[in-house]
Amino acid sequence: ETGVTQTPRHLVMGMTNKKSLKCEQHLGHNAMYWYKQSAKKPLELMFVYNFKEQTENNSVPSRFSPECPNSSHLFLHLHTLQPEDSALYLCASSQSFGLLEAFFGQGTRLTVV
Amino acid sequence: GNSVTQMEGPVTLSEEAFLTINCTYTATGYPSLFWYVQYPGEGLQLLLKATKADDKGSNKGFEATYRKETTSFHLEKGSVQVSDSAVYFCALSDSSGNTPLVFGKGTRLSVIA
Repeated sequence: ETGVTQTPRHLVMGMTNKKSLKCEQHLGHNAMYWYKQSAKKPLELMFVYNFKEQTENNSVPSRFSPECPNSSHLFLHLHTLQPEDSALYLCASSQSFGLLEAFFGQGTRLTVV
Repeated sequence: GNSVTQMEGPVTLSEEAFLTINCTYTATGYPSLFWYVQYPGEGLQLLLKATKADDKGSNKGFEATYRKETTSFHLEKGSVQVSDSAVYFCALSDSSGNTPLVFGKGTRLSVIA
């Protein structure tokens, strides 16, 4: 248990669906991150929020939309995804942006059909 | 920019064998270095860390020493177990606080009985 909780753990969605992934941390951290982990590819950083402000968006398609309503919660809204978006989506948090270690959730395994 | 290079996997070892997973880095300043482990179906967990040159991080029988002269942070374990089968990621955090963690591509370890 790392203190970062992601829900759901597994999600299957059609290409026309809209769904959301949720991440929650009660570690008092100020930075939160979304990563994508695909088979046989390096870990990809998608979005970074630092003190609830988005600081990085690494050329992620607009069908992925992040939301950070407060420093403890982070969402990833999904709509009109493609099969190649199927992956493990990992949320992480850290005390400060870019400094010290990050703590990861267990991930959401997303399958787009 | 900052980068981390890990040895390619997969690595397959027999139980009780000695493990080394090489990691070298490129960074400005004085980065902190980390090893993360990802067990099947899980997120990444921090395994160990070192924050300055010559520091040795250790946990669960794993060790890594921060070598500034060779820009390396190799992971070692004297006697692996089947339960150590996982993917191992080397990562760095630079001292600027302006960039997120940089991860290596990961090395898959399989330990057979």
